[in-house]
Amino acid sequence: TQLLEQSPQFLSIQEGENLTVYCNSSSVFSSLQWYRQEPGEGPVLLVTVVTGGEVKKLKRLTFQFGDARKDSSLHITAAQPGDTGLYLCAGTDRGSTLGRLYFGRGTQLTVWP
Amino acid sequence: DTGVSQDPRHKITKRGQNVTFRCDPISEHNRLYWYRQTLGQGPEFLTYFQNEAQLEKSRLLSDRFSAERPKGSFSTLEIQRTEQGDSAMYLCASSPRVVYQETQYFGPGTRLLVL
Repeated sequence: TQLLEQSPQFLSIQEGENLTVYCNSSSVFSSLQWYRQEPGEGPVLLVTVVTGGEVKKLKRLTFQFGDARKDSSLHITAAQPGDTGLYLCAGTDRGSTLGRLYFGRGTQLTVWP
Repeated sequence: DTGVSQDPRHKITKRGQNVTFRCDPISEHNRLYWYRQTLGQGPEFLTYFQNEAQLEKSRLLSDRFSAERPKGSFSTLEIQRTEQGDSAMYLCASSPRVVYQETQYFGPGTRLLVL
């Protein structure tokens, strides 16, 4: 059983379209990270959200942490082929003091030119 | 500092052989983590070090796996008597100790294939 559920699992869109991917859990997290991973490489950190209701923007990417700190979303505006990759969300269990990350299975995004 | 580094990037071995991977964390990061990622899955936690102390091990880490972090700097992960099910990407991450914000920075990974 995954602690974090990501949806959709796969997303294939045309350049210029907008999209949103979701990361949901029944658990409360003290913080949540979003990563992007290219084939054969390690995950690269995009953002960390800590406060419930927090919204962070990174150029065309907008990240939101749910008020209850159980869910998050990533919105991409005007997607580009360079946005193609596996988007992973990962959370730190609020009850843990050791900081291990729990990952979702990821959303594989493909943006066609 | 250019980030977390891992060596080797790829390893092909025969079933039953031992393999060892190395991770060099970002300088002054006192926390170091090992994860394993199989195809179609997100990374799964294996073990965690704070400085040289190994503080937590996942049930995924069988007796054939051992990790060390001498002097709290680089870390090694050894797999003895490898099995085909050990084939995966092994990821190392490090983080500074910041309360309530466990941002972890990942290395490029070591991809293991056991034949």
